[in-house]
Amino acid sequence: DVVMTQSPLSLPVTLGQSASISCRSSQSLVSSDGNTYLHWFQQRPGQSPGRLIYKVSNRDSGVPDRFSGSGSGTDFTLEISRVEAEDVGVYYCMQSTHWPWTFGQGTKVEIK
Amino acid sequence: EVQLVETGGGLIQPGVSLRLSCAASGFTVSDSYMAWVRQAPGKGLECVSVINPGGTTYYADSVKGRFTISRDSSKNTLYLQMNSLRAEDTAVYYCAVGGGRNWGQGTLVTVSS
Repeated sequence: DVVMTQSPLSLPVTLGQSASISCRSSQSLVSSDGNTYLHWFQQRPGQSPGRLIYKVSNRDSGVPDRFSGSGSGTDFTLEISRVEAEDVGVYYCMQSTHWPWTFGQGTKVEIK
Repeated sequence: EVQLVETGGGLIQPGVSLRLSCAASGFTVSDSYMAWVRQAPGKGLECVSVINPGGTTYYADSVKGRFTISRDSSKNTLYLQMNSLRAEDTAVYYCAVGGGRNWGQGTLVTVSS
């Protein structure tokens, strides 16, 4: 199975400042069709997960442009600029290039 | 608007079977990648099963041989048949469409004697 490793696992941030979450995969996420199926999800307390970013860097509809994704191969990053109170929650990366689809352990973002 | 509504969870004893349903609206289940993802209490996310538009199914090793994913086009509904349930299957079960584009609210399955 592809192991997804996130860091840090806990991320205290100051309102208005930026935050960065790293996600590394144990093997390349480039698919045979040329796409890289690496996605980012946000799970607010008590809610279902919601997708923020798909295929590395594409924002889902309605996602603020404060959220951005980048990376390639095995190394990916989620950036949150100008953190707001509503950004508190757990963030997961997920790969769907290889079966089984696997998630990172999650990064808990909280306000300092 | 896409909506996914899971039902069928509950408190059950080890070894018993349970079937979860995920009623979809706003899109066609049989035209989409559909997944069941679970989250044990206080833990992370685990994708346990996927069905693709062609009907090919995939299972995590932890549930292979015990769980079966299926769909009913006439009802636009996804199912997860869970047999020989174990305590470690206790989790909130979510259905999701299109690589996680949309998720349901989840249904809690508790396996305990």
